[in-house]
Amino acid sequence: SQTIHQWPATLVQPVGSPLSLECTVEGTSNPNLYWYRQAAGRGLQLLFYSVGIGQISSEVPQNLSASRPQDRQFILSSKKLLLSDSGFYLCASRWSENTEAFFGQGTRLTVV
Amino acid sequence: AQSVTQLDSQVPVFEEAPVELRCNYSSSVSVYLFWYVQYPNQGLQLLLKYLSGSTLVESINGFEAEFNKSQTSFHLRKPSVHISDTAEYFCAVTPYNQGGKLIFGQGTELSVKP
Repeated sequence: SQTIHQWPATLVQPVGSPLSLECTVEGTSNPNLYWYRQAAGRGLQLLFYSVGIGQISSEVPQNLSASRPQDRQFILSSKKLLLSDSGFYLCASRWSENTEAFFGQGTRLTVV
Repeated sequence: AQSVTQLDSQVPVFEEAPVELRCNYSSSVSVYLFWYVQYPNQGLQLLLKYLSGSTLVESINGFEAEFNKSQTSFHLRKPSVHISDTAEYFCAVTPYNQGGKLIFGQGTELSVKP
């Protein structure tokens, strides 16, 4: 199986500040990587996914961006946070499109 | 584009009763299908998946799901639920050969009461 490391676990940031959430993966190479936002009653909203270094696909136009500088590192960023960016962010990894996805423990972001 | 609809946001049932959690999807291409479960205060984990072959797939804890291509559905069932099945259940799809996109439904909260 794979181990997904996400940090920090919780984060409180002021409106207009930058954001950087990091996700690293152990136990596999060249995984598919994902960023989701989870909200109660709305399930997991796919934000970004990546099939390789430097390859990012965006699902939802928004104030966020993602980067994959290394094979097993996936970063979620924002230049200026909005109140609406508050939420629970999950990173996930899987070896291929028909295999199990493994999830990190998530980051609870509160923008104040 | 693809989408997943879970028709019930909450399903309360009594212990030992049967349950069905409904999932429908929309896609112009073939998809792989998954059910994930999130127990209280835990992360998501795979419950079962359909890739090809027999349309009925089973999990190790008594759940089963049936792929119905004509109705674009992948409903999850269990003939007799336990208190320990209380969790949130998510249906998900990945379209073939589209970069590994993994799309989830809104989730169904299963609450099993004694």
